[in-house]
Amino acid sequence: QSVLTQPPSVSGAPGQRVTISCTGTSSNIGAGYDVHWYQQLPGTAPKLLMYGNTNRPLGVPDRFSGSKSGTSASLAITGLQAEDEADYYCQSYDSSLSGYVFGTGTKVTVL
Amino acid sequence: QLVESGGGLVNPGGSLKLSCAASGFTFTNAWMNWVRQAPGEGLEWVGRIKSKTDGGTTAYAAPVRGRFTISRDDSTNTLYLQMNSLKTEDTAVYYCTTVAGQMASWGQGTLVTVSS
Repeated sequence: QSVLTQPPSVSGAPGQRVTISCTGTSSNIGAGYDVHWYQQLPGTAPKLLMYGNTNRPLGVPDRFSGSKSGTSASLAITGLQAEDEADYYCQSYDSSLSGYVFGTGTKVTVL
Repeated sequence: QLVESGGGLVNPGGSLKLSCAASGFTFTNAWMNWVRQAPGEGLEWVGRIKSKTDGGTTAYAAPVRGRFTISRDDSTNTLYLQMNSLKTEDTAVYYCTTVAGQMASWGQGTLVTVSS
C-alpha cells in the first residue's frame, strides 16, 4: 500500500503551470528523508525526474522543479507541454517500515 | 543498463526466479532494488540488497517478506529475485533498479502473472 498521498490527477493547458503534492508523515518526509520524483510515460518504465527534493538529473528540463516542507513535497511543471502527459510518482524512505515508499501516483493531462 | 528476465505465467503457490543483468556501471558497489507495478496500479517497493562492501544485507516489504529472496552475483553482474508461495496479488511487472536514496536506473521490467 502507498504511504505517500498524491492527487489522482491534475490537468492544464499547454504553457500553464501545474503542481503535484506529495503528503507523508513524521516517519518519512517529516523525518527528514529526501523526496524523489519519477515520470512514467505510457507503456514505459519509470524515469528519475527529480532527486534529493530539488535536483534535476542531466537532461531533465528546468521546467520541472521540486520543493519540500515539513511532511510534504511538491513537483511543479511550468510551461506545460504535450510530452509531459504521464504518470508521476514521489518516493522517500520510511523509518517505521524500514523501507522505501512511493506515492499513490498522479496522472498529468495536457488539455 | 538493466535488463530483467524470467517472468511468465505461474500457478498460485508456485515459484519463479527473476534475473536482472547489469552493465555500464560498477555493479559491485551498487545497492539494488526490486520494484513492482500491478496492472493499472502504482509502484510498490519489493525489496533491496546492499553491496557486499556495505554488508550485503537485504530488506523486504511486508507483503513479500518470508516468501521472496533477493540475491546477487557480483561475478556476473546479476541481481536475482526468488519468489516462492506466489499469490494472485503478486501479478505485476517487476523492475530492478539501482538505489542510492533515489532509484536512478531502471530496467524495462518483466511481467509475472500468477493465475490458475
